Amino acid sequence: EVQLVESGGGLVKPGGSLRLSCAASGFTFSSYSMNWVRQAPGKGLEWVSSISSSSSYIYYADSVKGRFTISRDNAKNSLYLQMNSLRAEDTAVYYCARDRNDYGDYAEGQAYWGQGTLVTVSS
Amino acid sequence: SYELTQPLSVSVALGQTARITCGGNNIGSKNVHWYQQKPGQAPVLVIYRDSNRPSGIPERFSGSNSGNTATLTISRAQAGDEADYYCQVWDSSNWVFGGGTKLTVL
Repeated sequence: EVQLVESGGGLVKPGGSLRLSCAASGFTFSSYSMNWVRQAPGKGLEWVSSISSSSSYIYYADSVKGRFTISRDNAKNSLYLQMNSLRAEDTAVYYCARDRNDYGDYAEGQAYWGQGTLVTVSS
Repeated sequence: SYELTQPLSVSVALGQTARITCGGNNIGSKNVHWYQQKPGQAPVLVIYRDSNRPSGIPERFSGSNSGNTATLTISRAQAGDEADYYCQVWDSSNWVFGGGTKLTVL
């Protein structure tokens, strides 16, 4: 059974930093592109970042470019999101999500999602 | 940047057919995916590549995509289908989500 478990969320002051983790199990983690998607309270889904299976390709939404860094450790079956210079508008539930296929073609969306971790940026 | 436009809300009578649209420039040339999200839960992929259903998704869910509009169709709507629905595409190295549509089953 595929499982994605996020951790690392919490309350942080504006300008602060936080590192999110996503522990994956139940599939060959090193074969799949992974993603972070967030959802502000009462709002819609917003894509944050994606990383290919071997970390060769990394993409960011303009809203987080230069502040957030996605990474993965295939030996530990883990995905990370380092978030720096946090702003109030970064407050959201952050989901870790796995691409549906292992072709790396970004053609089939995300078939598996974690339950999310809440990040609150407030003074 | 690419934009996807969804109606804020759609209502459907119990047992009838609901159609949720997703508009985008020449969206017919892209692969469109649809997600269902119920309150307090993570999104669930219900349609991928325009019209394909993942295992476990009822046949009542179907999708189409042509021109500037993609459509998610839910036949024989049930109370359990009440949720937010999001369309998604990959464009210029970005995943793009529509704003979401709240489906109400009357």
